[in-house]
Amino acid sequence: QLQLQESGPGLVKPSETLSLTCTVSGDSISSDTYYWGWIRQPPGKGLEWIGSVYYSGSTYYNPSLKSRITTSVDTSKNQFSLKLNSVTAADTAVYYCARVIGATVTPWGQGTLVTVSS
Amino acid sequence: EIVLTQSPDFQSVTPKEEVTITCRASQSIGVSLHWYQQKPNQSPKLLIKFASQSFSGVPSRFSGSGSGTDFTLTINSLEAEDAATYYCHQSSSLPWTFGQGTKVEIK
Repeated sequence: QLQLQESGPGLVKPSETLSLTCTVSGDSISSDTYYWGWIRQPPGKGLEWIGSVYYSGSTYYNPSLKSRITTSVDTSKNQFSLKLNSVTAADTAVYYCARVIGATVTPWGQGTLVTVSS
Repeated sequence: EIVLTQSPDFQSVTPKEEVTITCRASQSIGVSLHWYQQKPNQSPKLLIKFASQSFSGVPSRFSGSGSGTDFTLTINSLEAEDAATYYCHQSSSLPWTFGQGTKVEIK
């Protein structure tokens, strides 16, 4: 059964870089059937699509965040990663990683809360 | 960017009642509309894909319909475990977007 688990610091200072890793188990991240995505949810609010990455490295980023995002894939570790730079309090959210299959998002990781604060 | 507007924002329902949630897209998206259920302190789970296709393992009381700009999620005979926030999601056009969510409370 496919499972995804986010990891990374829960607290990031303003203007610094948020870095998260998603570890995939139960399937290969190198499958040509899937993309791998990042979605975030500010506390008490709705969902925002951040971007997606293919095992080969091709990416799609939400234009609203594109200038601050970098994603990568490590096939040897079955992981993919997100970096968001120049963070502000508005970037405080639960960050989810997920598999994208056939334009749907399933399953999702459990999510990790990242707070931007000094 | 396609905006998805759900209604209502909140619904309080008695068990065994039927629940209807609508999602309206700001432009036509065909059937590229999916529904997710998010229970408190959990991650979202896929319920319905491409407007009306039930996802594997989802109870048959959940169904979806619609095309173009207007879509509906129906929960027949609501159960207590269905207390959650429901989101629609469009994959017709980048960037992908979500509705604002509909919270369903059990009376």
